Amino acid sequence: DVVMTQTPPSLSVAIGQSVSISCKSSQSLVASDKNTYLNWLLQSPGRSPKRLIYQVSKLDSGVPDRFSGSGSEKDFTLKISRVEAEDLGVYYCLQGTHLPYTFGAGTKLELK
Amino acid sequence: EVKLLESGGGLVQPGGSMRLSCAASGFTFTDFYMYWIRQPAGKAPEWLGFIRNKANGYTTEYNPSVKGRFTISRDNTQNMLYLQMNTLRAEDTATYYCARGGGPFAYWGQGTLVTVSS
Repeated sequence: DVVMTQTPPSLSVAIGQSVSISCKSSQSLVASDKNTYLNWLLQSPGRSPKRLIYQVSKLDSGVPDRFSGSGSEKDFTLKISRVEAEDLGVYYCLQGTHLPYTFGAGTKLELK
Repeated sequence: EVKLLESGGGLVQPGGSMRLSCAASGFTFTDFYMYWIRQPAGKAPEWLGFIRNKANGYTTEYNPSVKGRFTISRDNTQNMLYLQMNTLRAEDTATYYCARGGGPFAYWGQGTLVTVSS
């Protein structure tokens, strides 16, 4: 299985601060069709996970452009500029290139 | 509007069986892969498997962690997705979610809690 190593496990931030979350995979996530199926999801307290970004850097509809994704091959980053209260929760990376699909362990974003 | 609504969770004894359902609406059901994912309390989600769409023959793939015990099926006349779980263990205790493909994981249900305990 592809291991997704996500860091840091938690972040304490002030509103308006910018943060980055790293996700590294044990194998390249470039698929045979040349796409890279790396997703970022946010799980707000008590809610189902919500996908924010797919294929490394494509924002889902309605996701603020404060969110951005970058990276390639095995090394990926989620950046949140100007954190707002609604951004708090647990962020997961998820690879959809290799079966079985696998999640990172999560990064909990909390208010300082 | 895409809607996914899981049901069928509850308390089951170790070694028992349970079938979860996911009612889908707001899209052409047969066009999409459908996924099951679970999440133990306080832990990361785990992908369990998917069933392909009509164009791909409704075939299935499973996480090796549940292969042979869990079966995914769909009733395309009722827009329903199912997860049959057999020989349940304490470690299967989790919230179980269905999700839609086609831009996978963009749509999730609200989840149904399965507790395996005597």
